[in-house]
This record gives sequence, structure tokens and C-alpha cells, in this order.
Amino acid sequence: DGGITQSPKYLFRKEGQNVTLSCEQNLNHDAMYWYRQDPGQGLRLIYYSQIVNDFQKGDIAEGYSVSREKKESFPLTVTSAQKNPTAFYLCASSTDRTYQPQHFGDGTRLSIL
Amino acid sequence: GEDVEQSLFLSVREGDSSVINCTYTDSSSTYLYWYKQEPGAGLQLLTYIFSNMDMKQDQRLTVLLNKKDKHLSLRIADTQTGDSAIYFCAEWDYGQNFVFGPGTRLSVLP
Repeated sequence: DGGITQSPKYLFRKEGQNVTLSCEQNLNHDAMYWYRQDPGQGLRLIYYSQIVNDFQKGDIAEGYSVSREKKESFPLTVTSAQKNPTAFYLCASSTDRTYQPQHFGDGTRLSIL
Repeated sequence: GEDVEQSLFLSVREGDSSVINCTYTDSSSTYLYWYKQEPGAGLQLLTYIFSNMDMKQDQRLTVLLNKKDKHLSLRIADTQTGDSAIYFCAEWDYGQNFVFGPGTRLSVLP
């Protein structure tokens, strides 16, 4: 079955440490997205990518970085510059960056030790 | 910029109908979406509608759109305990981003 796989499901970060969240899709989608979800708030866009080797900042990109070396993969690094990283992170993909619905992975919950 | 608003909580009795409401601000034609999120999981697409439509029905789900008031609703008939989740309304803005509401937490009481 086609889908989006995020790993790990739970991740813990120590102070001053960078951590990388994995996102893989086998839907042959061109566009991929990273969102942050905090309780009682909607999803906020961190980064998105329309095509391989291209990505753009979203609304809350500070303290995060991404790469898009393969169509299937869009990893997100939470750097030590992100002062409040505790959140639920969701990866999504869509056919292209139009009105086509976005399909989501099951998320990664990041906590600070 | 665009904004999507929803009430945060809704409680219904099992077997009743649930109506989850959403308002949006985009003044042009747009696409509107409903997603469901179960605890600890990602968002699952339920349905979506273009703003030139008034209604869309899919089994127990009915979406109603009032374009004049920019009001979107999701009606769930015969609500079951498995429908307990957070429901997100989203709008596609022509700047090519999705704008999500804060989500409505639906609790289904036995």
C-alpha cells in the first residue's frame, strides 16, 4: 500500500542537540511538507518542497532545516537554535503544490529531556 | 492573510448527529477540506469541496457550504464512539498553501 512513513514515533532531545526526523513517501508525489502541531492550535507550516533539490521556508522555519535529495524523502532537522522544540511534527505530501489534498504521515512526537 | 476559525469542543450523544462548523476568510474561489485526527495519529482526509458547490454527501458525512457567509459545516449522521477525534477544517489559498483551523475536538458520549 502507498503511504507516508514517519520515524521515529517518539524522539527525545537533550539540550544543545540536533535531531533529525525522517519522512518517506511511496506515493510518487512531487510536493512534500513539514508541519508543527501544538495543542489547541492548527498546523503551522515549517518547510515545503515542490520538487527534488528545491525547498522553501514556511511560516515558522527558524531553528529547522530540511533537505530533498530524493523524491521519496524529506527529512527535517530540529537544531539547537529551536528553543521550544517540544511538539508533534507531521509530514505530508501531495501530487503537486495545488489544491490537491495533502496526505499525512502518523507524526513524530519530540520531547526535551 | 487567510484565517480559518472553528469552535474547539463539541460533545454529542451516541446515535445523534454532530455538526462541526468552520468559517474562512478567503474572498475568492477556493477549495475547502475536512480532516480527522485520532489520538497520536496523523490527519486523515475525509472530504473536500470546491467553493462553487453548496453540498457534498458521502455516506454518513454531509458537507454544507454557505458562500455568502463563508461558513462550512460537516454533519456526521448517527455519530459513533469511533467518531471521537479532532476535526480540522482547511482552506487552500491561491498562494499555494493550506491554512488549517485549530481543530474541533468531538467527544461522543455513550
